[in-house]
Amino acid sequence: DVQMTQSPSSLSASVGDRVTITCRAGQSISNYLNWYQQKPGKAPKLLIYAASSLQRGVPSRFSGSGSGTDFTLTINSLQPEDFATYYCQHSYSTPWTFGQGTKVEIK
Amino acid sequence: QVQLVESGGGVVQPGRSLRLSCAASGFTFSYYGMHWVRQAPGKGLEWVAGIWDDGSNEDYADSVKGRFTISRENSKNTLSLQMNTLRAEDTAVYYCVRFRELGGGHYGMDVWGQGTTVTVSS
Repeated sequence: DVQMTQSPSSLSASVGDRVTITCRAGQSISNYLNWYQQKPGKAPKLLIYAASSLQRGVPSRFSGSGSGTDFTLTINSLQPEDFATYYCQHSYSTPWTFGQGTKVEIK
Repeated sequence: QVQLVESGGGVVQPGRSLRLSCAASGFTFSYYGMHWVRQAPGKGLEWVAGIWDDGSNEDYADSVKGRFTISRENSKNTLSLQMNTLRAEDTAVYYCVRFRELGGGHYGMDVWGQGTTVTVSS
């Protein structure tokens, strides 16, 4: 099974900040990496697939990068609606493992 | 619009069974793989099980293998999860999820239901 490790587990930021979240896979997964956003009491939402492709309708301030084992989700100019928990997930093979999540809180 | 609606959650005693259902609408259900993902209270996301578009293949997380069974009825646009021998650690919100090929052989969970809560407690 491919293990996914996110860092940090939480962070505090202000509106307008640039935020970076890291996800590391336990083995190379090429670019089979997705990012999801989850707000309290809501279902997750797909933001990015194939490590860097923006899902339709997602604002361009979200971007992803990486390949192999190391990946990054960047949020440029953090907006009030971006305060949420973010999860990475690999789509390399079953089981489709998620990272443990990164909670982005208001400073 | 594209929608997934789960039902069947509730409170159940350890060792008992429960069956979850998911009604799909707004898209051609038989074209897509479907999955269940759960989230224990205050915890992260855990993939539980998945089934191919035609129902010919299933996959399970080790934590539920042998106890849970995923199935689908394409004629009724319905996905199900039969959960047997339930344990306290199965307590979670269970999400029905569409698994879509997004391009270049890459798949993602692009449509999620609102979730149904399962509580296993005596």
